[in-house]
Amino acid sequence: GENVEQHPSTLSVQEGDSAVIKCTYSDSASNYFPWYKQELGKGPQLIIDIRSNVGEKKDQRIAVTLNKTAKHFSLHITETQPEDSAVYFCAATNAGGTSYGKLTFGQGTILTVHP
Amino acid sequence: GAGVSQSPRYKVAKRGQDVALRCDPISGHVSLFWYQQALGQGPEFLTYFQNEAQLDKSGLPSDRFFAERPEGSVSTLKIQRTQQEDSAVYLCASSLGGLAGVQETQYFGPGTRLLVL
Repeated sequence: GENVEQHPSTLSVQEGDSAVIKCTYSDSASNYFPWYKQELGKGPQLIIDIRSNVGEKKDQRIAVTLNKTAKHFSLHITETQPEDSAVYFCAATNAGGTSYGKLTFGQGTILTVHP
Repeated sequence: GAGVSQSPRYKVAKRGQDVALRCDPISGHVSLFWYQQALGQGPEFLTYFQNEAQLDKSGLPSDRFFAERPEGSVSTLKIQRTQQEDSAVYLCASSLGGLAGVQETQYFGPGTRLLVL
């Protein structure tokens, strides 16, 4: 089955700096890669996703890049703000396969943005 | 509109007790997933429903875990004879789903935090 590795496990930045979180996956059949933000006591919330036919996607201060050859994808947050502090998870799945879209998650990154 | 809701939000059980966790998906969502999230870890897949059909239960850790979605909307995850290792947050997610080969966004509920003493 799919295996997703995520690093770093913790990331501390100053407000206004950029933050980068990286993930690698093992199953070359995976074709959908979402990123979730989870705040304390809440469920994961989708912040951005990318499909395998696209190399990069951007939404305001958030961007995701995908390298299918190397089987890794990254989340980039620019101009970080204290409210970006949370746990971030990457995930992967093979949409349309017998996985029915079940997500395999990374271990999470605790992002702290200092004012 | 309303998102995915789960109840109870917190549950304390004595070892050996049975528990039932409820998930109300977004209205009209065909697909429903259950995940288990241990402390400090990412969610791990338990089981998947397409309407009332349980199409994948490969992630259920033992036969003490049972899930159902009898009318294709509300789902219940039941854990029999709870053990301390069952302590975790149980997350439910739903997606519009139903289209083969199309990955729909999964919307997560707030989870039920289960503590087994």
